[in-house]
Parts: sequence; C-alpha cells; structure tokens
Amino acid sequence: GENVEQHPSTLSVQEGDSAVIKCTYSDSASNYFPWYKQELGKGPQLIIDIRSNVGEKKDQRIAVTLNKTAKHFSLHITETQPEDSAVYFCADGGETSYDKVIFGPGTSLSVIP
Amino acid sequence: NAGVMQNPRHLVRRRGQEARLRCSPMKGHSHVYWYRQLPEEGLKFMVYLQKENIIDESGMPKERFSAEFPKEGPSILRIQQVVRGDSAAYFCASSPGPPLGYGYTFGSGTRLTVV
Repeated sequence: GENVEQHPSTLSVQEGDSAVIKCTYSDSASNYFPWYKQELGKGPQLIIDIRSNVGEKKDQRIAVTLNKTAKHFSLHITETQPEDSAVYFCADGGETSYDKVIFGPGTSLSVIP
Repeated sequence: NAGVMQNPRHLVRRRGQEARLRCSPMKGHSHVYWYRQLPEEGLKFMVYLQKENIIDESGMPKERFSAEFPKEGPSILRIQQVVRGDSAAYFCASSPGPPLGYGYTFGSGTRLTVV
C-alpha cells in the first residue's frame, strides 16, 4: 500500500544555516509531491510542490529535489530564520488529481536565533 | 475571498455524545477531504467527497463515523457515541479537483476533546 517515510523527525539548526528534510515513497506511479508547513495551532499550508517531469524546483529560500528512480524527494531551506520554525510534512500526491494525498509523519524544525 | 472555513474551532463532548464538524470549501472548489491529526502525529486520511458523492472512505472507521457533502451547504463529518480516543484535530481540505489540478487548501481545523 501507499507509504511515505520522512526523516528526521526533529531538526534543530542555527539561524542562517540550512535545513534538509528527506522523504521516500512507495508507489512508483506517483508523480506529484507537495510539501506543507504547519505552525502551532494552524492548518497545514502548501509551501512548494514538484511534479515528476522535473528533478528540482526552487522558490526563494526553499528548494525541492526529486529522484524518481530511487523514490526519494527532499526539501532544502537555506538561510533559515526563526519564522521557519514549524512542522513540515512531505506528501505523496498520487498519480492523478483524483488520488488522495498521503502525508509523511512530519519533521519538527526549530531555528535557534 | 475566504479560504476553507471549519467550525467550530474547538468542540468538547462527553463520552457517548455526538460530534458534528463542518467544513465549507473554498469558492470554486468541489472536492473535500477530511484528515485526522492525533497529538504529535501526522495527518491521516479519512474520507474524500465530491458534491453528493463519497469518492474514497478507506481511511474512515466503519462504525460511528460518517461524512457527507450535500448539494447545498457545508461538508459534515459526524462522529456518533464519541470515545476518548476520538480526541484529535480534524482538518478539512478542498481542491478544485480534476481536471483543474492538484493542491489542497486546508482549513484551521476543529479540535475535538472528549471528556
């Protein structure tokens, strides 16, 4: 069945350093991979996504890479700031837009000023 | 230009009572998804609905839980005879659905506490 693994479960970095979160998925047919950020007491917010026709996508300080052969994808945050502190979820968005999104267990990121 | 609206934000129920959680999707979105989040855990899929249809309820417990998305009005997640283990945050998300594309927008959630 569908499964998404995510590592690490917690991550602390100094302000200004980079943070990397890695995920693996099991369904080789999947081709859409979103990332969500959840702040305390709020709902998850989509921050970036990638489709399998590209290997990398960047949006300012955030980038996502995808290795479809290995079924790995990663989130990279550069020049971290305290407001980046949150729980980050990777997800497998399935093969078509009819498919439900399966979330990883989450990574709690703390950026230390 | 409201996003996904969920109410109530907080709900307290005694064991054995019923809980009704409401979700109004974003304007133009006809697909609704319900997820449950236990404390310190990730988001677990429960059910996917379109107007008047349940598309996928594979994540919803067979007993006590039901969901609907009527032609008019919000989507409702209903939990009958609540137990302490039902205490969680319940999030609703909506999307424009196929063929318009992907991408969920989540509401702020309903935090259910069963006492």
